[in-house]
Amino acid sequence: SAVISQKPSRDICQRGTSLTIQCQVDSQVTMMFWYRQQPGQSLTLIATANQGSEATYESGFVIDKFPISRPNLTFSTLTVSNMSPEDSSIYLCSVGEGMGEQFFGPGTRLTVL
Amino acid sequence: DQQVKQNSPSLSVQEGRISILNCDYTNSMFDYFLWYKKYPAEGPTFLISISSIKDKNEDGRFTVFLNKSAKHLSLHIVPSQPGDSAVYFCAAFLTGANNLFFGTGTRLTVIP
Repeated sequence: SAVISQKPSRDICQRGTSLTIQCQVDSQVTMMFWYRQQPGQSLTLIATANQGSEATYESGFVIDKFPISRPNLTFSTLTVSNMSPEDSSIYLCSVGEGMGEQFFGPGTRLTVL
Repeated sequence: DQQVKQNSPSLSVQEGRISILNCDYTNSMFDYFLWYKKYPAEGPTFLISISSIKDKNEDGRFTVFLNKSAKHLSLHIVPSQPGDSAVYFCAAFLTGANNLFFGTGTRLTVIP
């Protein structure tokens, strides 16, 4: 298993601004994932971030809106850019290696006014 | 298009009784299915999984059943305990896509 922390745990932001969410893992991992959970919805994968390569984005998500950094094997950031109220969600990072089992951080609850 | 569905948003069960949480999926190519439990203000935690080549996997009080012909799986918790009260997510994994597809979750409340 892995211990994952996220910062900030929650934030309230004004529309048009950007927020960067940090994800720190206590061990080196190859694959890190960023998810979004909108109110009353399931978790939806935004992108997969591998160290040393560009993040791979899922359909409906673009790099300009959700730029991701992965500078090393224990850390990643997700930026939510030019925010609107529709971006109000819980954002979660996770790590995993095969078989689908992933370990999740506690999430960042974002409210955009 | 939601490939994994949990049609019951909530379930209440008496302590000591069985809890049965259901999940349906549409993609017959999924090769692993997982259940996650989520407490408020925490991330989901892995609970139990099952390979698509099996029909049952048991771990203590938790058993997952898979019916491939019906594209249906269920999680049984016996006996249910108040600490089991949480949101349970069903998820499906597609090798190669490396993607977990989640259902919308079922909120389980175990009444003491």
